[in-house]
Amino acid sequence: AQKVTQAQTEISVVEKEDVTLDCVYETRDTTYYLFWYKQPPSGELVFLIRRNSFDEQNEISGRYSWNFQKSTSSFNFTITASQVVDSAVYFCALSALENRDDKIIFGKGTRLHILP
Amino acid sequence: GAVVSQHPSRVICKSGTSVKIECRSLDFQATTMFWYRQFPKKSLMLMATSNEGSKATYEQGVEKDKFLINHASLTLSTLTVTSAHPEDSSFYICSAREVGRNTEAFFGQGTRLTVV
Repeated sequence: AQKVTQAQTEISVVEKEDVTLDCVYETRDTTYYLFWYKQPPSGELVFLIRRNSFDEQNEISGRYSWNFQKSTSSFNFTITASQVVDSAVYFCALSALENRDDKIIFGKGTRLHILP
Repeated sequence: GAVVSQHPSRVICKSGTSVKIECRSLDFQATTMFWYRQFPKKSLMLMATSNEGSKATYEQGVEKDKFLINHASLTLSTLTVTSAHPEDSSFYICSAREVGRNTEAFFGQGTRLTVV
């Protein structure tokens, strides 16, 4: 069975600090995809990144970076020099081929508050 | 990137009436669309997988007769909340993935349903 765990329910940091959002996943499949989505107060889901299980290279995109470690089944997300506009709920998600429909399963989300 | 349009964005209806929510993929074809429900400050709960030309697959605990899903074409899926009650008030989000590609799912803007 698939499962995504985001242990941090809510995090508050002061602007310009770095913050890491944790994500741990479970799946029986060797082929799977991991995602991060941002949900600002307006409600829409904004796609941030997709990573397949065969690509363990870490990725950096501006102030965002992701650390994928298969050994610990983790896919953590770091925001460097945080800004108030980063305040949102962030969801980690998993899609594995054990599921024919390729449905995406979400973690419970981490609510991030960036304080000015 | 691909665009998924969801309509309406907000709807208020009286208890006992039915409400239809549309999800359209604007620039790609989607054989599969997904419907999620999100309670305030909670994660996205997958309700059902909508398959073009066949019956939807519902998650455990989701009432099929309550939440009718129709996927009549490769670009349109609809969710009808029948005989709505206040407890059906929620944020409903659809997502779609392009035919033949295991890529990120693109999400609609969401529909905030309030049943009074």
